[in-house]
Amino acid sequence: GENVEQHPSTLSVQEGDSAVIKCTYSDSASNYFPWYKQELGKRPQLIIDIRSNVGEKKDQRIAVTLNKTAKHFSLHITETQPEDSAVYFCAANFNKFYFGSGTKLNVKP
Amino acid sequence: GAVVSQHPSWVICKSGTSVKIECRSLDFQATTMFWYRQFPKQSLMLMATSNEGSKATYEQGVEKDKFLINHASLTLSTLTVTSAHPEDSSFYICSAFTLAGSSYNEQFFGPGTRLTVL
Repeated sequence: GENVEQHPSTLSVQEGDSAVIKCTYSDSASNYFPWYKQELGKRPQLIIDIRSNVGEKKDQRIAVTLNKTAKHFSLHITETQPEDSAVYFCAANFNKFYFGSGTKLNVKP
Repeated sequence: GAVVSQHPSWVICKSGTSVKIECRSLDFQATTMFWYRQFPKQSLMLMATSNEGSKATYEQGVEKDKFLINHASLTLSTLTVTSAHPEDSSFYICSAFTLAGSSYNEQFFGPGTRLTVL
């Protein structure tokens, strides 16, 4: 099955700085790569996604890049704010969804 | 986005009892529902894939006789944890998935059920 690896496990940045989280996947059939933000005790929230026919997608302060050849994709958050503090998960999908191990992002005011 | 409900939101039960968790898609028909479990400070682990009218497909290492899944309609899937033990205590989350419309590939999560087995 699919194997998704995510780094780093924790990330601490100063407010206003950028944060980058990276994921790799193993199954070349995966064609959809969502990113989720999860707050404690809550459901994951989709923040951005990218399909395999696109290399980059941006939505305000959030962007995702995908390198199909290398099988890796990254989440970029610019101008971080304290409310961005949460756990972020990447996932890869073909017929099922497999999640990365998560990154705890702490944005210090 | 589409709305998925999950019931109950939390449950405490005695060891050896069975617990049923319901997952409903409220405003769309879900061709597929996924069941995940999440331990504290860990990722979501896919337990099984549930398609309406057919048997669920379980991930490796998940006991199908312990985690019974029924997907009786396009809007309802249930997960029953049978003979629950303390190690089954976890956060269980369902998601609904549809191939229709502009949300192709997107899954919509329920709010989760916190199960505590004493």
